[in-house]
Amino acid sequence: GENVEQHPSTLSVQEGDSAVIKCTYSDSASNYFPWYKQELGKGPQLIIDIRSNVGEKKDQRIAVTLNKTAKHFSLHITETQPEDSAVYFCAAGGSYIPTFGRGTSLIVHP
Amino acid sequence: SAVISQKPSRDICQRGTSLTIQCQVDSQVTMMFWYRQQPGQSLTLIATANQGSEATYESGFVIDKFPISRPNLTFSTLTVSNMSPEDSSIYLCSVEVHGGAVETQYFGPGTRLLVL
Repeated sequence: GENVEQHPSTLSVQEGDSAVIKCTYSDSASNYFPWYKQELGKGPQLIIDIRSNVGEKKDQRIAVTLNKTAKHFSLHITETQPEDSAVYFCAAGGSYIPTFGRGTSLIVHP
Repeated sequence: SAVISQKPSRDICQRGTSLTIQCQVDSQVTMMFWYRQQPGQSLTLIATANQGSEATYESGFVIDKFPISRPNLTFSTLTVSNMSPEDSSIYLCSVEVHGGAVETQYFGPGTRLLVL
């Protein structure tokens, strides 16, 4: 089955800095890569996703890049704000239910 | 998108008892999923619940421990049976929404369970 590795497990940045979270996957058949943000006490919220027909997607301060050849994808958050502090999960899927990474705890210091 | 609600939001239970978690969606969906998220951990799929058929359980999860109902296209329940402290976790309901040619997965707010 699919195996998703996510790094780092914890990321601490100053407000205004950029944050990058990286994931790798094992199944070359995967073609759907969503990212979820989970705030304390809440369920995961889909923040952006990318499909294998594009290499990059951007939504305001958030962007995701995908390298299918290397089987890795990344989440980029620019101009971080304290409200970006949360746990972020990547996932990889396709014709099957996505497999999730172990999560990255992002801490943005004011 | 989909708006998902879960009841209860949290509970504290005694070992040996059972708890039924309800999941309600604001639109009709074919596929619903139940996940477990242990403290500080990732999301582990328990089972897939399609309306009109038996739930499909992932390795390590059995129907006797986690019976699931799916009576219609907007509702599902997960029961955690004969609970032990190891069942303390967040239980998440999730649905797959079809938008044109693509599917997107959304999650409910979760049920936080503590077993004493």
